[in-house]
Order: sequence, then C-alpha cells, then structure tokens
Amino acid sequence: QSVLTQPPSVSAAPGQKVTISCSGSSSNIGNNYVSWFQQLPGTAPRLLMYEDNKRPSGIPDRFSASKSGTSATLGITGLQTGDEADYYCVSWDTSLSGKVFGGGTKLTVL
Amino acid sequence: EVQLVESGGGLVKPGGSLTLSCAASEFTFNTYGMNWVRQAPGKGLEWLSSITSTNYKYSADSVRGRFTISRDNAKNSLYLQMNSLRAEDTAVYYCARETWNDRGIDYWGQGTLVTVFS
Repeated sequence: QSVLTQPPSVSAAPGQKVTISCSGSSSNIGNNYVSWFQQLPGTAPRLLMYEDNKRPSGIPDRFSASKSGTSATLGITGLQTGDEADYYCVSWDTSLSGKVFGGGTKLTVL
Repeated sequence: EVQLVESGGGLVKPGGSLTLSCAASEFTFNTYGMNWVRQAPGKGLEWLSSITSTNYKYSADSVRGRFTISRDNAKNSLYLQMNSLRAEDTAVYYCARETWNDRGIDYWGQGTLVTVFS
C-alpha cells in the first residue's frame, strides 16, 4: 500500500486530454514539493514535472501539473501513442523522513 | 549530460550480501544529494535511501539496518551495501540524483538487476 494514492490506470483516445491524480496528506504533498515521472516500458523513469508545477527543459508543454491541499494532478493534452507509459508522483514525507512514491498509473492511449 | 551508471547487480542467495555502485559524471558530484530507488518485477518505484551532499543519510523502514548508503566524492561514486538479502529484495536498483536545491530527483541511471534466489 503506497503512501501516495494514484489510480492504477487511465485511458483516453489520441488527441484527447487525461489527468492523473495523486492523493496524500499534510505530511507529504500538503507541505512538500511534488514531482512526476514517466516510465516508458523497459526504461528508467524520466522527470516530467518538478516543484509541483515546473517543467524541465525538453518536456513538451502538453504536460502540466498542479497541486491543491494534499492532492496533486498531472495533466496531459494532445495524447499520443508514445505517451503510453507508467506515471509516478513522489514527495518528501516529513513524518517518515523519507521520499514516498505513488503506486503508479498506467496510461493507455486507445 | 548527466551520467549515472550502476553496477554490481547479480544473483545472490538469501541471507547474502551485495554492494551496488553508481558512477557519476558530467556534474559536480560532491555538491549534490543522491538516492537509491528500486523497482520489483512488475511493481512500482520504492525509495530506499538518500545521502545529502554533507553526508547526512535517510533510509526507508523496509531496509534500515540492512542496507547502507555511502558516497566517495573523490571517486564520484555512490554505493549501496546490502546485507541479509531476502527474496523480496529482488528488483532493479536505480541510482538517482537529487536536484541542486534538494527538492526532488532529476536524473536516473539505467538500473542494475539484483536477483535473490535459492
């Protein structure tokens, strides 16, 4: 059971928009930064978003993120088949003195 | 471009030990915090341990007392000493760099596979 809760899977058609939620508590998301990672099949994770809503250079602006209270959301617009991957949220947990990951969400582009 | 290359994975029997290494390059290693994260087959990511640029260490409850993170700044290397290995420690182990301001992970290595079986 992960400390951060993500839906196991989401799906949408090419060109559509999808959101992935990440729910936590005041010990983690509520008072610490959230990052999002994309993991394509058979590869290492790649940073998508950091410090709640910032995009690293090289990440398309189709990807966005937000945070409200103890929940965070990743948004992807203009879905492409190449976006099919597992997506993870992560934050620092002050009570645990460690990082906590969400369980991951598998995105299927139908 | 930041490079992180893990090594040291392999087959080990339950109760055995293994030391993983991560060779870092293309950034000033001694000014960054570093992390170990693992992924069991078909499962999600699990944070294991972090070490700051000033050598302060944090570890997950699941490995505290069995796994030890360390670094050698002279060799630009990160290590994970793993003892008392169990079947459930079977996973791909990733080395990952912390951001310059310690607000999350930015770069990952390609991972090294550790298989614990009898």
